[in-house]
Amino acid sequence: EVQLVESGGGLVQPGGSLRLSCAASGFTFSRHWMHWIRQAPGKGLLWVSRINSDGTSISYADSVKGRFTISRDNAKNTLYLQMNSLRGEDMAVYYCVREDGGSYKFEPWGQGTLVIVSS
Amino acid sequence: DIQMTQSPSSVSASVGDRVTITCRASQFINNWLVWYQQKPGKAPKLLIYAASSLQSGVPLRFSGSGSGTDFTLTITSLQPEDFATYYCQQGDTFPPTFGQGTRLQIK
Repeated sequence: EVQLVESGGGLVQPGGSLRLSCAASGFTFSRHWMHWIRQAPGKGLLWVSRINSDGTSISYADSVKGRFTISRDNAKNTLYLQMNSLRGEDMAVYYCVREDGGSYKFEPWGQGTLVIVSS
Repeated sequence: DIQMTQSPSSVSASVGDRVTITCRASQFINNWLVWYQQKPGKAPKLLIYAASSLQSGVPLRFSGSGSGTDFTLTITSLQPEDFATYYCQQGDTFPPTFGQGTRLQIK
């Protein structure tokens, strides 16, 4: 079964840091581009970041550029998102997502991990 | 960035009804349009890709159409498990962008 399992969310103060992890299984992780997409409480979906299959091409949404860092360890089948200088507007459920077949078709999605930014 | 606009934002319907949701892109996206279904507290699920291709395992009552800038998702003979929020997403131009969602509620 193709599966993505996120971890690492939690409560953090404004200005703080958090590292999210996403463990992949059931497919050849090293062959796929991976993304992070977030959803603020009661809101819609917002693309955050992407990384290509070997980690040499990375992109970010303008809202997180310079604060977030995406990375991957293909030996461990794991995707990461290092989040620094967190703000209230970063509070959201963060989903790890596989790009399936190109053209930004996202499937599957992890179950999500909630990041709460509050003092 | 390409703006995706869904309508309506919310719709009420009954089991057995036919429902159509529309999605408009702010610029031409060919047929690079994806539809997702999201239930409360769950991750989105891919329903349709390339505007009209049904993802494996998705019931045939779901269908998609359109090309260019205007797209539709149609659900025929609504089932209780179909009441959810639906999102469109363009996959033509980086960055990928989503519509604001359409909440399908039970009448």
